[in-house]
Amino acid sequence: QITLKESGPTLVKPTQTLTLTCTFSGFSLSTSGVGVGWIRQPPGKALEWLALIYWDDDKRYSPSLRSRLTITKDTSKNQVVLTMTNMDPVDTATYFCAHSDDYDPFDYWGQGTLVTVSS
Amino acid sequence: DIQMTQSPSTLSASVGDRVTITCRASQSISSWLAWYQQKPGKAPKLLIYKASSLESGVPSRFSGSGSGTEFTLTISSLQPDDFATYYCQQYNSYSLLTFGPGTKVEIK
Repeated sequence: QITLKESGPTLVKPTQTLTLTCTFSGFSLSTSGVGVGWIRQPPGKALEWLALIYWDDDKRYSPSLRSRLTITKDTSKNQVVLTMTNMDPVDTATYFCAHSDDYDPFDYWGQGTLVTVSS
Repeated sequence: DIQMTQSPSTLSASVGDRVTITCRASQSISSWLAWYQQKPGKAPKLLIYKASSLESGVPSRFSGSGSGTEFTLTISSLQPDDFATYYCQQYNSYSLLTFGPGTKVEIK
């Protein structure tokens, strides 16, 4: 059974760096073709893909946010970490992590975590 | 970058109606297109992948078609559980991912 869960701060101040952790079970990020991605959704708005890391440490980033994002994995801990620098109130959103197998779309998602950016 | 558009943005329909949502890509994505359903406060649920393949456990009233730049999601007979927002997503292999802006299906 595949599960994912996001964790991190619920409130960050403008200009701070956000660090989110996705802890998963039921699969290994060392298995060929597996990936874990991050997607966010501002309140009442659409989904926005942020980043994706694959089993072989290949990393992909949204072009519009690439300069602010870093995605890493810790295979031994079954975790993927996303950092986003220079947070702004427009970054207020629910942040989801999700599983991809064999380079297919996201078939399992975490419940999401709401991050509010405010002073 | 590949841009995705969806139409309509909102759709009002009744239980039993046949519903069609269109998704267009700014350049050809072959069949690398997925559809998700999202309900308020919940994570998206994968319905369709590779444009027309039904995800395991998804009711057969959902179907997808298209290739290249134009795709459709059809619900053959709308059920009460289907009122939600639907997103398309392109996933050109080894490339970057993009979601569409979403289509809200509401009760007429």
